[in-house]
Amino acid sequence: SQKIEQNSEALNIQEGKTATLTCNYTNYSPAYLQWYRQDPGRGPVFLLLIRENEKEKRKERLKVTFDTTLKQSLFHITASQPADSATYLCALVPGQAGTALIFGKGTTLSVSS
Amino acid sequence: DTGVSQDPRHKITKRGQNVTFRCDPISEHNRLYWYRQTLGQGPEFLTYFQNEAQLEKSRLLSDRFSAERPKGSFSTLEIQRTEQGDSAMYLCASSADLVEQFFGPGTRLTVL
Repeated sequence: SQKIEQNSEALNIQEGKTATLTCNYTNYSPAYLQWYRQDPGRGPVFLLLIRENEKEKRKERLKVTFDTTLKQSLFHITASQPADSATYLCALVPGQAGTALIFGKGTTLSVSS
Repeated sequence: DTGVSQDPRHKITKRGQNVTFRCDPISEHNRLYWYRQTLGQGPEFLTYFQNEAQLEKSRLLSDRFSAERPKGSFSTLEIQRTEQGDSAMYLCASSADLVEQFFGPGTRLTVL
């Protein structure tokens, strides 16, 4: 069956450390993968997209990697801050199966000061 | 334009009643999506419009659900004969391309 999994429901780290979130998928061949941030009671907000031919993408303190052999994406937040506390969702478009996003369950990150 | 808006933000209804939600996308976006999100889960796709045409529907969208996008602008999602299992956050998103989607704040539905 087709699945997209984020391996941790919750991740707790100290301020200043690097947070690493994992997204694994099976039985998809996405052209690209996206990461979104969601705060409680709000809709997801787009953060980064990485294409299948890109190994790494950066935006300020954020870094995403994409390994199509392992079928895995890693999302890193460096020098984390309490304001980074939120739920982070990975999502992909299944290609020929449609244009809508398929989301993982999300990982809730808590950064303590 | 301040982004995607949804109305109402909260709706409480009794089982068996009909409810309708509205989504106003970003004005230049021709693609509009509806998703449903329950606690602890990621958003699940319901349906997709390109302009006024409804191009995709999820099998989650039972015959009690109907969505429209007249004139390719705002969209409505109606749920008939609501059930307690319909309680969820209903999210609308719009996009100008097949990549980034801009989400609204959602409508939280509670069915008693």
